[in-house]
Parts: sequence; C-alpha cells; structure tokens
Amino acid sequence: AQRVTQPEKLLSVFKGAPVELKCNYSYSGSPELFWYVQYSRQRLQLLLRHISRESIKGFTADLNKGETSFHLKKPFAQEEDSAMYYCALKDNNDMRFGAGTRLTVKP
Amino acid sequence: GAGVSQSPRYKVAKRGQDVALRCDPISGHVSLFWYQQALGQGPEFLTYFQNEAQLDKSGLPSDRFFAERPEGSVSTLKIQRTQQEDSAVYLCAKGLITGELFFGEGSRLTVL
Repeated sequence: AQRVTQPEKLLSVFKGAPVELKCNYSYSGSPELFWYVQYSRQRLQLLLRHISRESIKGFTADLNKGETSFHLKKPFAQEEDSAMYYCALKDNNDMRFGAGTRLTVKP
Repeated sequence: GAGVSQSPRYKVAKRGQDVALRCDPISGHVSLFWYQQALGQGPEFLTYFQNEAQLDKSGLPSDRFFAERPEGSVSTLKIQRTQQEDSAVYLCAKGLITGELFFGEGSRLTVL
C-alpha cells in the first residue's frame, strides 16, 4: 500500500529564513510525486510535480529514492508563503495525500 | 480552461438526513474524483469516475455513501442517513492530462 507521511503538522519560520517541509513516502515502484498548496480561503492547487523538475514561487523539491523522500524547500521564505502544504503520491488514478503541514512565515 | 464548480458550498444537516453534493467539472473532463477532508487531515480518496463509469469506489466509507455521474459530466455525491462523523469538506477534482488534479472549492458539510 502506498503511504505519504508529513511528520510536521506545524512549521513556523521568519521571513527571509530557509524553509523545508518534509515528506516521506512508501511505494513499491516508481513514484509520481506532487506538492499541493492551499492558501487561506482558496482551493487546493498544484504547486509542483517532481517529474517536471521545475521551480515554482521559489520552491523546489527533489525526489530522493534512497531515503524515499520528497522534501519541499525554499531558500528565503516570504509572508505570502503562509499556507497548508500537502505532499501527494499518484499510483495510476489514485492520488494519496499526506496530512499536511501548516507553514507560517512571520514578519 | 474553467474550473470545477461545487454546490452547495456549505451544508448543515441534522443527523439522519440525506444530503446531495454536486460537482460540475466545467468544460468537461474525462476523469473526476471525490475526496473527503476531515478537520486537520489531508484529503482522503473516496471514488473515481472515467466518463460515466465509476471505476474505483474503494474509498467510500460505508454503503450510506453513493456517487453517480450519469452523463459523464456533472457528478453527485449522496450521503444517506448522515452521521456526525460525516462532517467534513468534500472535494471534487478533475484529472488533467498532465497527471495533476484540479480541485473545486469544496462543500463543507456539518452534521448536527
């Protein structure tokens, strides 16, 4: 069975500080991983997907198959990054989400 | 591109009532998903449609939950004899060709 674990429910950093949101997965195969974000009073939306290896809003995430991790990183957090972040793993048509991490960026 | 429209946005039901939640994947899409998101939790998969065919309903928590998509477009999630533990946000999403999901804003159900 596939599983996604986000060990931190809450994460708080100061503006300009680096931030890392952790995600670990268990999956027997080649995983397809995503990060979704939900800003206050907005819909859940895609932030980035590992397969495109892109940087969105300064965020990057690298798939580490050895450590089965897909941590989300940003070198300099901004106040507008405050939101709920969900790591997700796709297996065929089944998208499984972690419990989420609430990031607060303080001024 | 349009989005996904869900209604009602908020629903309060008395325990034992039946509720129906609607999802319209505006501009149409082959695949449509329903998720349940309880307070403080991530979205949990309920069911998946490809056109009008319900290909996976393994996530439906009980036989009180029923989903349909008769014409392959609008979908309805029905919950019979609601219980307090059904209180959650119900999210509908369409699957994009890139593999991601495009979510609606959700329907928040509160069962008293």
